[in-house]
Amino acid sequence: AQTVTQSQPEMSVQEAETVTLSCTYDTSESDYYLFWYKQPPSRQMILVIRQEAYKQQNATENRFSVNFQKAAKSFSLKISDSQLGDAAMYFCAYRSRPHNQGGKLIFGQGTELSVKP
Amino acid sequence: DAGITQSPRHKVTETGTPVTLRCHQTENHRYMYWYRQDPGHGLRLIHYSYGVKDTDKGEVSDGYSVSRSKTEDFLLTLESATSSQTSVYFCAIRDTGQLNTEAFFGQGTRLTVV
Repeated sequence: AQTVTQSQPEMSVQEAETVTLSCTYDTSESDYYLFWYKQPPSRQMILVIRQEAYKQQNATENRFSVNFQKAAKSFSLKISDSQLGDAAMYFCAYRSRPHNQGGKLIFGQGTELSVKP
Repeated sequence: DAGITQSPRHKVTETGTPVTLRCHQTENHRYMYWYRQDPGHGLRLIHYSYGVKDTDKGEVSDGYSVSRSKTEDFLLTLESATSSQTSVYFCAIRDTGQLNTEAFFGQGTRLTVV
């Protein structure tokens, strides 16, 4: 079975600075997806960024980028130029690529990010 | 925003009573999921559906049942609510296709069992 671990329950960053959230996972599969979701106080789950395991290039979305280390099974999220609106709970998630797995998401425990003005 | 609605948004119920949460979608997506969110555990899958009347168990299915009689509706039932089922419940939907498809989440239902 696959597992996802976020070892940082809480992180803090100064506005305009850069912060990195860590995520490790365990799987015996070679083809899968990894995601970072943001959950602000509104409770809405918002997809921040996705990475396909077969792609060596790290995904980027504006100020958000990942460091995907497949051999190490590590998938960290870097937020550059942090803004007050980035304050939220962040979840790392894994999904098997084959459709016979049902497309289920396996989530980490979450990291609560606070942004200081 | 994806057309996905959960009802109710908040509910307080007593131990031992049955509770049904509803997820309604207007996207005609094949897959629907129920997750629960608890501090320190992230979101965990309860049940999911891959079509009308086709459902399967997730990681934490004990004490829960589901039904999907129409594409647009996925019901989660707690037959006899317990305090350990106090949680925030999320429904998600996902389409199928050749490309990676994103899961869209509802706004969540906060359930308190007293």
